[in-house]
Amino acid sequence: GQNIDQPTEMTATEGAIVQINCTYQTSGFNGLFWYQQHAGEAPTFLSYNVLDGLEEKGRFSSFLSRSKGYSYLLLKELQMKDSASYLCAVRDTDYKLSFGAGTTVTVRA
Amino acid sequence: ETGVTQTPRHLVMGMTNKKSLKCEQHLGHNAMYWYKQSAKKPLELMFVYNFKEQTENNSVPSRFSPECPNSSHLFLHLHTLQPEDSALYLCASSQDPGQGADTQYFGPGTRLTVL
Repeated sequence: GQNIDQPTEMTATEGAIVQINCTYQTSGFNGLFWYQQHAGEAPTFLSYNVLDGLEEKGRFSSFLSRSKGYSYLLLKELQMKDSASYLCAVRDTDYKLSFGAGTTVTVRA
Repeated sequence: ETGVTQTPRHLVMGMTNKKSLKCEQHLGHNAMYWYKQSAKKPLELMFVYNFKEQTENNSVPSRFSPECPNSSHLFLHLHTLQPEDSALYLCASSQDPGQGADTQYFGPGTRLTVL
């Protein structure tokens, strides 16, 4: 089966930077996704990486290293509204999407 | 964001009840999905429909029965559920599940409690 690991919880201060790591062991690779999910709401798409390197979208950036089976999501200039769960998901060679358990980020004033 | 809607948002049912969850997508997508999300666990894929045809049944118990009458609507029929089936049931849609960059868009979910 697929194995996707990410920390359970992280806490950071408003205005700071937080890096959420995700490691994976899957049967093949066809891309990695990050989603944000606020409590009681739908997961919403943040980013997609299929090539090695950093993709930047405003305050959020996502990095991928395929050889290391590793990705991170970087949240800069943290705001209170960034308090949410962040889900890492990997698409394998059968195009199935497997999710990690999610990282709950709490932003404190 | 109203691309994918789900009803009801909350459902409490007894183990002998029969109920249905409804999902509708307004994005013109071809594929629809049911996921189960339990606390502190990864999303579990249950069913996939592509162009109204079921392409994935992830060893889901028969007490869960999906129905996809067209590409915009997806139902999950529930009967004789167990308390461990209590969870958030998420519906998603996407354009083409055979593409690596295909992005799934989720509805807000139905919070199901089985007594």
